[in-house]
Amino acid sequence: DQQVKQNSPSLSVQEGRISILNCDYTNSMFDYFLWYKKYPAEGPTFLISISSIKDKNEDGRFTVFLNKSAKHLSLHIVPSQPGDSAVYFCAALSGGYQKVTFGTGTKLQVIP
Amino acid sequence: DGGITQSPKYLFRKEGQNVTLSCEQNLNHDAMYWYRQDPGQGLRLIYYSQIVNDFQKGDIAEGYSVSREKKESFPLTVTSAQKNPTAFYLCASRRKTAYSNQPQHFGDGTRLSIL
Repeated sequence: DQQVKQNSPSLSVQEGRISILNCDYTNSMFDYFLWYKKYPAEGPTFLISISSIKDKNEDGRFTVFLNKSAKHLSLHIVPSQPGDSAVYFCAALSGGYQKVTFGTGTKLQVIP
Repeated sequence: DGGITQSPKYLFRKEGQNVTLSCEQNLNHDAMYWYRQDPGQGLRLIYYSQIVNDFQKGDIAEGYSVSREKKESFPLTVTSAQKNPTAFYLCASRRKTAYSNQPQHFGDGTRLSIL
């Protein structure tokens, strides 16, 4: 049972435009969410996070939006750069924060 | 520099053999994790440990074993009981705080292949 879903396995965006990566979850107990970026043959690196008490968190070109009623979060990258080309995973935590549940990932390609 | 070291980067195993993947961290993190990545399936949790000499099964623990004898080390053994061991294995660690919402830090992974 996939509790965190990224329904788009891939996304292509022109350099300079906005990239929007989406993530849906089913477990209403999740109260903290993270986005990771992963290059091939490397481990994921933490990008940005958001607590369920907020609906937006911004860090430079990256903004994460959370819609709790829809159980949906999204990552916006503006402007997109070729170096942003990677696989992006969303992840969710619930009380106790012992286990992290990852989505299946979205491969972003930014075209120069 | 602090970080997580996984070794080796590539590992080959003959069928029926056990193999151990190494994971060492010098971040002084209490919690450590093992994940498996397969194409189209994201990261799936194999085992995790919150403290030395204690660990819990994740979602896909069958065919795997771990130990946590030292805070810095969390080796994963892929046993012959694991029917489909070919995958990319990732180790992670996390600092436990009062709020416990610290992100995980990942190693660069070990790719295991069956000969």
